[in-house]
Amino acid sequence: SAVISQKPSRDICQRGTSLTIQCQVDSQVTMMFWYRQQPGQSLTLIATANQGSEATYESGFVIDKFPISRPNLTFSTLTVSNMSPEDSSIYLCSVVGGATGELFFGEGSRLTVL
Amino acid sequence: AQSVTQLDSHVSVSEGTPVLLRCNYSSSYSPSLFWYVQHPNKGLQLLLKYTSAATLVKGINGFEAEFKKSETSFHLTKPSAHMSDAAEYFCVVSEWNTGNQFYFGTGTSLTVIP
Repeated sequence: SAVISQKPSRDICQRGTSLTIQCQVDSQVTMMFWYRQQPGQSLTLIATANQGSEATYESGFVIDKFPISRPNLTFSTLTVSNMSPEDSSIYLCSVVGGATGELFFGEGSRLTVL
Repeated sequence: AQSVTQLDSHVSVSEGTPVLLRCNYSSSYSPSLFWYVQHPNKGLQLLLKYTSAATLVKGINGFEAEFKKSETSFHLTKPSAHMSDAAEYFCVVSEWNTGNQFYFGTGTSLTVIP
């Protein structure tokens, strides 16, 4: 299993500002995933963060809006840039672990943009 | 194309009665299937997983799911609902043949009536 810590757990931000979310894993992992969960919705994959290479973004998500860092095998950050109220969501960090390849999730970062 | 359909967006049961949360999937290859639970203001927790072993899978908190290939279904059941089961449930399918892709259902909100 993997234990994932995310910071901040929640924040209230002003329109036009940026916020960086941190994700720390207790073991080395190749890939880390960032998901967005809008209110009352399912999870949508934003990007896959690989150590030593550029993150791979899903359709509808761009690096300028959601820059990602992956400096080592246990840590990643996601920045939500130039925020608008539509960015109010839960942002979840996830890794694949175990012999059967299940996803492990952090507790999420609950972001409210005013 | 791979997809996951959770047939009910909301399910309401009385405490002590059985729970049935339905999930159908489409997959081109042998899939791995998962059920996750998300309690309010929490991250996602793995309930159980199917990975081509026994078709009846037992998970935590008394939940079970049966993989039925002929019906492309992976329904989640529990004989007797408890108040603490009230949460959001997500069915997830992954196919490692096509890369590290996880496909999420839209979620089922379970209400338990005392």
